[in-house]
Amino acid sequence: DAMVIQNPRYQVTQFGKPVTLSCSQTLNHNVMYWYQQKSSQAPKLLFHYYDKDFNNEADTPDNFQSRRPNTSFCFLDIRSPGLGDTAMYLCATSRVVGQGAFFGQGTRLTVV
Amino acid sequence: SQELEQSPQSLIVQEGKNLTINCTSSKTLYGLYWYKQKYGEGLIFLMMLQKGGEEKSHEKITAKLDEKKQQSSLHITASQPSHAGIYLCGADNQAGTALIFGKGTTLSVSS
Repeated sequence: DAMVIQNPRYQVTQFGKPVTLSCSQTLNHNVMYWYQQKSSQAPKLLFHYYDKDFNNEADTPDNFQSRRPNTSFCFLDIRSPGLGDTAMYLCATSRVVGQGAFFGQGTRLTVV
Repeated sequence: SQELEQSPQSLIVQEGKNLTINCTSSKTLYGLYWYKQKYGEGLIFLMMLQKGGEEKSHEKITAKLDEKKQQSSLHITASQPSHAGIYLCGADNQAGTALIFGKGTTLSVSS
């Protein structure tokens, strides 16, 4: 059974139109991460939550926001997507910060 | 900042052949993880190595960690088409907040 579930798997959005990606987990892990992976590149950490504590990476654009209403769910909001935000967005969880993480299937976002 | 370099970038092997993928860190490794990714999908956890000299195996895949060389290798024995995909190494970042990744090695297995 899938333990980290991302919805939708594929999303096409218009330039500048806000979009929300969702992630849910059944592992009851404290930590949830969002990564951005562009074509042929390494996944890049955007931010992570330890419980309700939000930790933003220094180079994550302000255009990217996140919400974690409860342990199980985490959302990635892109306020005004640009063409350069076309990428795979990966959600991951771990029991403690920095340990090996379990990843979801990813959401492939295309901005047109 | 720490970087992970993987080699080779891509690899095509004949079914049944052995192969090795390397991951070298620019800084001390405190934990090294191997993941597999099929195109357009998420990452599947393969193995975690935490101690120098540690070696782990799962089915036909073996990973080793050489702390002194700041390097890990992933070895596949008697490759099969099911092994095809992108192999990524990950390591704990210095702040201990998350994983950083190499760019991946794309493996194709021809039958």
